[in-house]
Amino acid sequence: GDSVTQMEGPVTLSEEAFLTINCTYTATGYPSLFWYVQYPGEGLQLLLKATKADDKGSNKGFEATYRKETTSFHLEKGSVQVSDSAVYFCALRSSNQAGTALIFGKGTTLSVSS
Amino acid sequence: KAGVTQTPRYLIKTRGQQVTLSCSPISGHRSVSWYQQTPGQGLQFLFEYFSETQRNKGNFPGRFSGRQFSNSRSEMNVSTLELGDSALYLCASSLSSGGPQETQYFGPGTRLLVL
Repeated sequence: GDSVTQMEGPVTLSEEAFLTINCTYTATGYPSLFWYVQYPGEGLQLLLKATKADDKGSNKGFEATYRKETTSFHLEKGSVQVSDSAVYFCALRSSNQAGTALIFGKGTTLSVSS
Repeated sequence: KAGVTQTPRYLIKTRGQQVTLSCSPISGHRSVSWYQQTPGQGLQFLFEYFSETQRNKGNFPGRFSGRQFSNSRSEMNVSTLELGDSALYLCASSLSSGGPQETQYFGPGTRLLVL
C-alpha cells in the first residue's frame, strides 16, 4: 500500500542554519503531497503542498518540490529560526478514490537553538 | 473564519468506560476525518464522513465509531476503553473530499488518557 518515509530525528540546528528534512513516498497513481507542522500541545497546521509532479510548494520560507522520478518531497528552509522548532510531518493523499485519507510519515522533530 | 474546533480538549477515563468526542468543522466544509496520534503508531486514519455518510474507514476495531450531523458537525465514540486508546484524537475538515489535492485542516485535538 501507499506509504511515506521520513528521515529520523531529532534534527538539531543553530539559528540561521540550512534545513533539509528528507521525505520519500510509495504510491500508485498521482498522489498529492503535503507537509504539516505540529507545535507542542497543538494540532497539525498545513505548511505547504504540491499536487502534481515538478510543483513547488512554498510558505514562510519553507519549500518542497514534488519529484516523481525520485518519489521525493524534501522540505528545505534557507535560514531556520528558534520559532521553527516543532515536529514536521510529510504526508500523501492518494488519487485512487474520493475521500481518501492522509497517510503520514512518522514525523521529524526539529530543535533550533539561538 | 473560525477554524476546526474540538471538545473537550482533555479527557481522563478509566478502562471499560466509553467516551464521545466532538468536532465542529470550518464553516462550509462538509467532510470530516478523524485521526489517532500516538507516540508508537504515529498518525493513523480512523474514518471520514461526508454528507452524514461514512465514506472511508481505517483499520480500527468496531469499538471506534462515528457519525456526522446535518450541520456537518461530527462525533466519534469509543466504547469499552482500553489503556492503548490513550492518544491525541485529531479531527480534520475539508470542503468536499472531492480529490487528493484538497487540503484537510486540523483542529487542536482531544487528548484522551485512559487509566
